[in-house]
Amino acid sequence: KAGVTQTPRYLIKTRGQQVTLSCSPISGHRSVSWYQQTPGQGLQFLFEYFSETQRNKGNFPGRFSGRQFSNSRSEMNVSTLELGDSALYLCASRGLVGNTGELFFGEGSRLTVL
Amino acid sequence: AQTVTQSQPEMSVQEAETVTLSCTYDTSESDYYLFWYKQPPSRQMILVIRQEAYKQQNATENRFSVNFQKAAKSFSLKISDSQLGDAAMYFCAYRSGGGGGSQGNLIFGKGTKLSVKP
Repeated sequence: KAGVTQTPRYLIKTRGQQVTLSCSPISGHRSVSWYQQTPGQGLQFLFEYFSETQRNKGNFPGRFSGRQFSNSRSEMNVSTLELGDSALYLCASRGLVGNTGELFFGEGSRLTVL
Repeated sequence: AQTVTQSQPEMSVQEAETVTLSCTYDTSESDYYLFWYKQPPSRQMILVIRQEAYKQQNATENRFSVNFQKAAKSFSLKISDSQLGDAAMYFCAYRSGGGGGSQGNLIFGKGTKLSVKP
């Protein structure tokens, strides 16, 4: 069974640009969550999607947005990039509806903003 | 708001020895879940062990076990017979057990970098 796949793995952007990251969850998983990981702030929750609906959102500005498609694949978008957006962006999928559903993480997309 | 604290930024252990990683958390909820995740240098986060707050028995997974002290809000991870492959960042995480939209929202500690010496 294929794991969570994130693309691209690495990308470099300049300030003011926008970026779109993609996440394909494990087959059959309908929930996708996104996290930002930085050395200073650690791992911070961005948002979660389930059945194409955003279920929960972390404390990030409106420049950060996401969506989920009918096949459960998800994208997140960051507009008007700032230097502080440089981070590892992790996607995680979950299969069970119940509270004990384990999160399965992808390897992440490393974003560098110059 | 819930918080998770890992007070040991780095730890080191000799191969085959035992090491304990500390984690404390703060919450006013009674229903929640605690996790230890491992992030090797390849960066993919892997679940090591999970503990439901309503269970008094400490979780165990092979060489990994936890010491869950609910009253003290402490959740330490013990790694026995440490192996070179255990070297990684270890994150303690909390998740509310409530319904609604909170199920995918993990609150992570800052992590502990574990080195294993041969």
